[in-house]
Amino acid sequence: DQQVKQNSPSLSVQEGRISILNCDYTNSMFDYFLWYKKYPAEGPTFLISISSIKDKNEDGRFTVFLNKSAKHLSLHIVPSQPGDSAVYFCAAGGTSYGKLTFGQGTILTVHP
Amino acid sequence: NAGVTQTPKFQVLKTGQSMTLQCAQDMNHNSMYWYRQDPGMGLRLIYYSASEGTTDKGEVPNGYNVSRLNKREFSLRLESAAPSQTSVYFCASSGYLDGNTEAFFGQGTRLTVV
Repeated sequence: DQQVKQNSPSLSVQEGRISILNCDYTNSMFDYFLWYKKYPAEGPTFLISISSIKDKNEDGRFTVFLNKSAKHLSLHIVPSQPGDSAVYFCAAGGTSYGKLTFGQGTILTVHP
Repeated sequence: NAGVTQTPKFQVLKTGQSMTLQCAQDMNHNSMYWYRQDPGMGLRLIYYSASEGTTDKGEVPNGYNVSRLNKREFSLRLESAAPSQTSVYFCASSGYLDGNTEAFFGQGTRLTVV
């Protein structure tokens, strides 16, 4: 039972354009959502998070949007840069649920 | 500032062999985790420890055991390795097991079981 799903295994974007990565979840107990970025041969690193009391959180070029009614979150990267090429994982957790549950990951490739 | 340190980085085992993956964190975190990453499967939780002295099963615990040796260290043991345990293993830690704090990851252990 995959509670956090990233349905796009990969995404290819031109440098300077917007990258949109999507994530869906099924467990209503999740109230905290995170995005992690992972380069090859390294561990995942935290990128940005959002609490369920918000619908948007920005940090520089990265913005996370949360649609609670649709149980959907997305990560927008604007403008995309070649150094953003990595695997992106969404994760969900929360006060009631505790430990983080991860999605399958989306491989983002940003072409110069 | 080391963060989360895992050893070894690479390991090849024969089927049936045993080994222990070591993990230590220097951030004074209460909670520690072991995940495995497989293609198309994302990061799946094997075991976790909410605090020193406690451990609990995650999503895929079969074939593994863990020990929370102290607040800093959380080890993962494979008693009889199987090819299905070929994977990349990540240790992580966070301040609390409330899911509202980010987890910090080690660099991973690439394990191959032949």
